[in-house]
Amino acid sequence: AQTVTQSQPEMSVQEAETVTLSCTYDTSENNYYLFWYKQPPSRQMILVIRQEAYKQQNATENRFSVNFQKAAKSFSLKISDSQLGDTAMYFCAFMTLNRDDKIIFGKGTRLHILP
Amino acid sequence: GAVVSQHPSRVICKSGTSVKIECRSLDFQATTMFWYRQFPKKSLMLMATSNEGSKATYEQGVEKDKFLINHASLTLSTLTVTSAHPEDSSFYICSASDRVGRGEKLFFGSGTQLSVL
Repeated sequence: AQTVTQSQPEMSVQEAETVTLSCTYDTSENNYYLFWYKQPPSRQMILVIRQEAYKQQNATENRFSVNFQKAAKSFSLKISDSQLGDTAMYFCAFMTLNRDDKIIFGKGTRLHILP
Repeated sequence: GAVVSQHPSRVICKSGTSVKIECRSLDFQATTMFWYRQFPKKSLMLMATSNEGSKATYEQGVEKDKFLINHASLTLSTLTVTSAHPEDSSFYICSASDRVGRGEKLFFGSGTQLSVL
């Protein structure tokens, strides 16, 4: 069974700083997707970034980038120039490419951006 | 972009009643939808996978008779919490996969806060 582990329950950083959220996962699959989702106080799940396992290049979306280490099964999220609006719960997630395509979430990291 | 609509956003009901939550994919066909439950300050727990035209697949520990799922069309899945009790109070979220082309993405509804009195 696949598992996703986020070892940082809560983090706080000053506005404009860079912060890295950790995520490790376990799977026997070779083809899969990895995601980072943001859940602000509104509780709407927002896709931050997505990585296909077959791509070696790390995904980047503006201030958000990942460090994908497939062999180590590590998928960390780096937020550069952090903003107050980045305050939210962040979930790392895993999805296989089999028929069901169900997504498994980590327990989340609560990120506070301090003014 | 693809949008998933979930209704109602909030419902309060008496113990013993049933509550239906709808999840619609607005601009794409979703053969598969997923239902999650989220407790306060916790992660999303997958309850079941809803497949259009067939029975839902429930995760271990989820009561099939308590949480009825119907996926009668390619754009609509419903979750009915039957004979609700206070312990069923939670935040329920649906999601749907847009599998057009190679852009597999998962879109989430805005969630339903269920409070059972």
